[in-house]
Amino acid sequence: SQTIHQWPATLVQPVGSPLSLECTVEGTSNPNLYWYRQAAGRGLQLLFYSVGIGQISSEVPQNLSASRPQDRQFILSSKKLLLSDSGFYLCAWSISGTLETQYFGPGTRLLVL
Amino acid sequence: QQQVKQSPQSLIVQKGGISIINCAYENTAFDYFPWYQQFPGKGPALLIAIRPDVSEKKEGRFTISFNKSAKQFSLHIMDSQPGDSATYFCAAVDYDKIIFGKGTRLHILP
Repeated sequence: SQTIHQWPATLVQPVGSPLSLECTVEGTSNPNLYWYRQAAGRGLQLLFYSVGIGQISSEVPQNLSASRPQDRQFILSSKKLLLSDSGFYLCAWSISGTLETQYFGPGTRLLVL
Repeated sequence: QQQVKQSPQSLIVQKGGISIINCAYENTAFDYFPWYQQFPGKGPALLIAIRPDVSEKKEGRFTISFNKSAKQFSLHIMDSQPGDSATYFCAAVDYDKIIFGKGTRLHILP
């Protein structure tokens, strides 16, 4: 069966510090991968998606970036965090070629102080 | 045109009652309409989904009603239970995009 992992589970970072969140998927090959942000009490904002290694599409211009160094690894990064980057970050995957069913990870709660 | 409008933002229902959440879309290219359930501190999970060639889909206590001409769909939770208390998201999908509604926070009173 497929599983998706995210770490860390929680993170408290000062403004201006760098960020690296990691997501890995097991049990499937060549998945579509997604990064979402969920601000407190709000909906899901798609940040990045990837259909293959090294292929990243950005949905929202911001100070975040994403990379996919391996087929089942997706990394969300920032060089300098802003207060507004606080939120709940969710990684998700779907079967290659379709967005229909998204399988979400457990999320990382980021607080920028 | 790319929005999915979800209502209400929050909903309180008595145990045993019917919970109803509504969504509306504009883009007729959408061809798959899932609902996701999210418990606090967890990632969303697919609950039930429907395609536009079907007017209703039922899985246990959960039913999606779909009105293609009105471009609206809704989630009905029958015999609502305290364990159903969660945030619910509707979504609309076509071949290269998925758009989520802003979510409904449902609370079932015991």
